[in-house]
Amino acid sequence: EAQVTQNPRYLITVTGKKLTVTCSQNMNHEYMSWYRQDPGLGLRQIYYSMNVEVTDKGDVPEGYKVSRKEKRNFPLILESPSPNQTSLYFCASSLATPTDTQYFGPGTRLTVL
Amino acid sequence: TQLLEQSPQFLSIQEGENLTVYCNSSSVFSSLQWYRQEPGEGPVLLVTVVTGGEVKKLKRLTFQFGDARKDSSLHITAAQPGDTGLYLCAGAGSWGKLQFGAGTQVVVTP
Repeated sequence: EAQVTQNPRYLITVTGKKLTVTCSQNMNHEYMSWYRQDPGLGLRQIYYSMNVEVTDKGDVPEGYKVSRKEKRNFPLILESPSPNQTSLYFCASSLATPTDTQYFGPGTRLTVL
Repeated sequence: TQLLEQSPQFLSIQEGENLTVYCNSSSVFSSLQWYRQEPGEGPVLLVTVVTGGEVKKLKRLTFQFGDARKDSSLHITAAQPGDTGLYLCAGAGSWGKLQFGAGTQVVVTP
């Protein structure tokens, strides 16, 4: 089944404790991206990747890192999480560009205490 | 700053009524996408509009892309409870970026 998977689905952590949210797609997509969703603000893009080893900042990249060592994986890293990073996070992938259909993962609910 | 402004933010209607959601921007987009998101899930694509003035129909949903490719609308005819959800528009900005509107929460009650 074609899908985007994220892990974990739920995470409660404390300020400053490094964490990684994994994202994997099995559709051989080139474009992958991360979003955070907050009430009243919709989805805001954190980082995106047009291909392996190519990553770029979205609109809200501060406090986040990503890597794209393999085509299928695009982990989101929070080196020192803070409470303002409490949010719902979505990973998405598409065939090649942001104008192609975006396929979203199920989301990761992160709480930073 | 939200590049794409959606209105209204919230819409509550009775089953059988019609509704329209708007997505406006000061920027020109090569294409606009509409997604619907249900609680606990990621957004799912409804349609992509590409040509200025384009109208696309998907059963009871009608999507329009403005002539200047800066705005779009989603019209639902005879809404049903299954249409309840968060409707999001999205446009590709500068190289590689994809920007979403804040969304319109639609609630259709029986």
